[in-house]
Amino acid sequence: AQSVAQPEDQVNVAEGNPLTVKCTYSVSGNPYLFWYVQYPNRGLQFLLKYITGDNLVKGSYGFEAEFNKSQTSFHLKKPSALVSDSALYFCAVRDGASGGSYIPTFGRGTSLIVHP
Amino acid sequence: DADVTQTPRNRITKTGKRIMLECSQTKGHDRMYWYRQDPGLGLRLIYYSFDVKDINKGEISDGYSVSRQAQAKFSLSLESAIPNQTALYFCATGSPVTAQYFGPGTRLTVL
Repeated sequence: AQSVAQPEDQVNVAEGNPLTVKCTYSVSGNPYLFWYVQYPNRGLQFLLKYITGDNLVKGSYGFEAEFNKSQTSFHLKKPSALVSDSALYFCAVRDGASGGSYIPTFGRGTSLIVHP
Repeated sequence: DADVTQTPRNRITKTGKRIMLECSQTKGHDRMYWYRQDPGLGLRLIYYSFDVKDINKGEISDGYSVSRQAQAKFSLSLESAIPNQTALYFCATGSPVTAQYFGPGTRLTVL
């Protein structure tokens, strides 16, 4: 079975400071990992994904994420937060093991609040 | 034009009424999904479809049904709406190796 956890319901950071939104996962095979962002009254938008290759993945809007296999984590990061980054962030995982349905599982979401 | 469209965007209905939410996509993917979002619970999968003839239940399918009318169209029905089905509903599409593309959502209120 696959699962994903976002341990923080809310993250607060001051504008200009670095931000981290945490995600840990559990799969039986190799993980396919995704981050999405949801702005108010909007659908989810894809930010970045890890399937294979470099552990540091760069995505949209200056976000990046670091895949750590030993810690089964895929934390979302940005060097300098903007007020406009305030939104709800979802981590998702699907198991890359053969024979699966390849349906992703989503975390509960982390609300990021960037203070001016 | 948006890749995934949903109609209606907002709907208020009464307990016991039948409701249909519609979804269309222009991404050309075979797979389509219906999710429900509730505060603090994240996204929960209601139904998914791998193609027109392949429809599968998700983790919370009770009280819902779906119809895949074409590769690009996937509708969700609530046969007899109840208040605890009040939520934000999202349609999505995608392939096994890509990210998913989500519609703008339908905010449903059941009184």
